[in-house]
Amino acid sequence: GAGVSQSPSNKVTEKGKDVELRCDPISGHTALYWYRQSLGQGLEFLIYFQGNSAPDKSGLPSDRFSAERTGGSVSTLTIQRTQQEDSAVYLCASKAGRRSYEQYFGPGTRLTVT
Amino acid sequence: AQKVTQAQTEISVVEKEDVTLDCVYETRDTTYYLFWYKQPPSGELVFLIRRNSFDEQNEISGRYSWNFQKSTSSFNFTITASQVVDSAVYFCALSEINTNAGKSTFGDGTTLTVKP
Repeated sequence: GAGVSQSPSNKVTEKGKDVELRCDPISGHTALYWYRQSLGQGLEFLIYFQGNSAPDKSGLPSDRFSAERTGGSVSTLTIQRTQQEDSAVYLCASKAGRRSYEQYFGPGTRLTVT
Repeated sequence: AQKVTQAQTEISVVEKEDVTLDCVYETRDTTYYLFWYKQPPSGELVFLIRRNSFDEQNEISGRYSWNFQKSTSSFNFTITASQVVDSAVYFCALSEINTNAGKSTFGDGTTLTVKP
């Protein structure tokens, strides 16, 4: 498809387990973002990748959170030792490049930690 | 630090009414972008509009219009003759221009419900 895709769409996990969330950006887009959206809240920036530059990790809430982007395309957000407060919708967005500002969002992954 | 405030948490209107969604922002930057996104019940955010801080001309697109007032740091969004399909959460966002990230700060959103 032409848009940003994310998988899984829903994930239920037990407290303490690790989870991996995947994002496939729009082909050719060099910039990729991860956001977290808690119930009834706005989007909280987590991490940003731009080309081969070092990622901006300033939004990651703790060292349990990490992300990587392989080959400048697919990205994986990993949450280790999940906590109940990690329950949220995790959104991925991509944009064409450093000088573009329109972000295209994926449908999100709804994470529930029980 | 940047901040975007959408004071209206929820708005409910009847179809065909006009509705305005408020957005007030704070930034130390003199140049920046402002955005509105729509998040329908399906969950996927959809880009609606981007505005440069140095262009205060208001914009109209069909039933949508945007009023940018730099003097009051506001970027309000009006839907004319609302329809049920307009029901969604609407987010206002602010993005720096002179950074490498173009990182956006989002408001908490306004949930609009349009009743038939």
